[in-house]
Amino acid sequence: QPVLTQSPSASASLGASVKLTCTLSSGHSNHVIAWHQQQPQKGPRFLMKVYSDGGHTMGDGIPDRFSGSSSGAERYLTISSLQSDDEADYYCQTWGTGSLFGGGTKLTVL
Amino acid sequence: EVQLVESGGGLVQPGGSLRLSCAASGFTFSSYSMTWVRQAPGKGLEWISYISSGPTTINYADSVKGRFTISRDNAKNSLYLQMNSLRAEDTAVYYCAKSDCGAGCFLSDFWGQGALVTVSS
Repeated sequence: QPVLTQSPSASASLGASVKLTCTLSSGHSNHVIAWHQQQPQKGPRFLMKVYSDGGHTMGDGIPDRFSGSSSGAERYLTISSLQSDDEADYYCQTWGTGSLFGGGTKLTVL
Repeated sequence: EVQLVESGGGLVQPGGSLRLSCAASGFTFSSYSMTWVRQAPGKGLEWISYISSGPTTINYADSVKGRFTISRDNAKNSLYLQMNSLRAEDTAVYYCAKSDCGAGCFLSDFWGQGALVTVSS
């Protein structure tokens, strides 16, 4: 069963870029993951899938300010031109004997 | 437009039961796996159950195994979660989520708005 590790918090300035990381546990570096955004008091929203080769598949209506990439066991979510409503919790998700989530990263836009 | 609408949440006493429903529209429900995910107050997302499109495959998290039952009615485009022997720690917002294929795929690509379940005396 894989484990997903995310930093609890991140911050960046309005208009800047930020790169969030989701790390797969040893032996699971080939897993595809999904990124989800959860704005305050809202349900999650699917952003994209990120594959081990760095490719990614975007969710419907997700702006191209959001992008995904990969390196080894790490999966990244990069948000450019940060806006105030990007302030949210970001979760990565993968599969094992079912599905599982990382602990989430709370992004603060300064 | 894809829509998932949960219903059936509410306040229930410890040891009680509740049945959540999720009405799906905007996609061919019978072709996709579905999952239930919950979020306790102030906590992260916790996957709790999966059902394939068939539904030939069903999985549960250890935290709910033996107490919760997932099911679906493809004719009614509906997903269900029967929750028995509820405990205080089951208090959470429960989300239904669509998976991105019919079987063997556990990644979610669309979420409902959630239903609050509160277990308290």
